[in-house]
Amino acid sequence: SQTIHQWPATLVQPVGSPLSLECTVEGTSNPNLYWYRQAAGRGLQLLFYSVGIGQISSEVPQNLSASRPQDRQFILSSKKLLLSDSGFYLCAWSAGHGTYEQYFGPGTRLTVT
Amino acid sequence: KQEVTQIPAALSVPEGENLVLNCSFTDSAIYNLQWFRQDPGKGLTSLLLIQSSQREQTSGRLNASLDKSSGRSTLYIAASQPGDSATYLCAVKVTPNTGKLIFGQGTTLQVKP
Repeated sequence: SQTIHQWPATLVQPVGSPLSLECTVEGTSNPNLYWYRQAAGRGLQLLFYSVGIGQISSEVPQNLSASRPQDRQFILSSKKLLLSDSGFYLCAWSAGHGTYEQYFGPGTRLTVT
Repeated sequence: KQEVTQIPAALSVPEGENLVLNCSFTDSAIYNLQWFRQDPGKGLTSLLLIQSSQREQTSGRLNASLDKSSGRSTLYIAASQPGDSATYLCAVKVTPNTGKLIFGQGTTLQVKP
């Protein structure tokens, strides 16, 4: 069966510091991978998606970036965090884009102080 | 622009009651609709996926229906239990090219023993 991991589970970072969140998927090959952010009062918003190694598409302009160095690894990064980057970051995977179900990880709670 | 609305925002019912959660979307051109459950501080658990060509899906005590023409979906929970207490989110996929899901704000359900 497939499993999706995210770490860290929680993170408190000062404004201006860098960020690296990691997501890995087990039990499947060549998944589509997604980063979502859930901010208070704003619902869930897609940030990035990837259909393969090194292939990243951005949905929302921001000071975040994503990378996919390996087939089942997806990383969310920032060089300098803003207060507005606080939120709950969720990674998800699916077997394809079209009619496939998406499965979510446990999330990372990021607080920027 | 697709918008997804869930009403009510919160719902409290006694244990054993049958209940319906509502989800509406503004553009009927969707590829599928997914219902999720989110426990406080946790990730999303996929409950049901309904493809655009389907009318309903069932899993245990859960039944989800889809009426594309009217832009509505309902999640029916039979014989509710305290363990059903959570936030329920619906999400629609509007294009097969990105896998992007557009989420509603959710309905927070409390089932009282």
